[in-house]
Amino acid sequence: QQQVKQSPQSLIVQKGGIPIINCAYENTAFDYFPWYQQFPGKGPALLIAIRPDVSEKKEGRFTISFNKSAKQFSLHIMDSQPGDSATYFCAASGRETSGSRLTFGEGTQLTVNP
Amino acid sequence: GAVVSQHPSRVICKSGTSVKIECRSLDFQATTMFWYRQFPKQSLMLMATSNEGSKATYEQGVEKDKFLINHASLTLSTLTVTSAHPEDSSFYICSALTGKYYGYTFGSGTRLTVV
Repeated sequence: QQQVKQSPQSLIVQKGGIPIINCAYENTAFDYFPWYQQFPGKGPALLIAIRPDVSEKKEGRFTISFNKSAKQFSLHIMDSQPGDSATYFCAASGRETSGSRLTFGEGTQLTVNP
Repeated sequence: GAVVSQHPSRVICKSGTSVKIECRSLDFQATTMFWYRQFPKQSLMLMATSNEGSKATYEQGVEKDKFLINHASLTLSTLTVTSAHPEDSSFYICSALTGKYYGYTFGSGTRLTVV
C-alpha cells in the first residue's frame, strides 16, 4: 500500500515536445503529491506539488494533473527544452503516514533532444 | 527558501574506515531529517528518519550499528558509515522536513566510494 508506481522508465522527446510522466498510488491516506527533478550527482529539487483537493496545478511550464478517483497523477512539461533532460521522480506523503515520510516512484529518465 | 547544506559532496575512503556526512539546515530548524541512499539509475531508498533529540528510526534491513545517525541539534544531522566496505559505496542524500507535515528540502548529496 505504500508503493507509488511510475511510468515510463525512460522518455525521449524533441525540443518543444510535451513529455508526460504518470504515477499511480494505492494508499488513500496520501494527501501530498510532489514531483522532483534530479540532475546527475545532485539531490532532488522540488518542481511542483499538489494536494488532492484540486485536479490540476500549473507552475510555469510544469503542470500536474490529479485524478483522485483513479488514484493517479501525472506531470506534463510544456515546451520542453534540452535543459529539462534529467530524472524525474513522483512521490507521495500524508500526515497519516508514518513520520510524514515520502514514498518515491521509480523515476523517469527524460531526454530532450535539440 | 529553505536550504539544506550537505558535506562532503564526494568522499573516497579505505575499506574498514568510518565516514561522517553532515547535513545542516540553513535559516530554519529541522526537527525531522530523512536519510536516503540511492544506487545508480534507481530511486531514493529511505534509510532512516531522525527527530531532534531522539533516536533515529531505521527502515527494515538497514543496520543501525553500521549507519549511525545523530540529530543532536535543530540545525545539524549527521550520518556516520562505520567500518565501510565497497558495497556501501553509494549516493547518500539527506532531506529536512520544513513544514509540520509536508515540505521537504533535500541536500545536494554525498558520493561515497569505498576502496
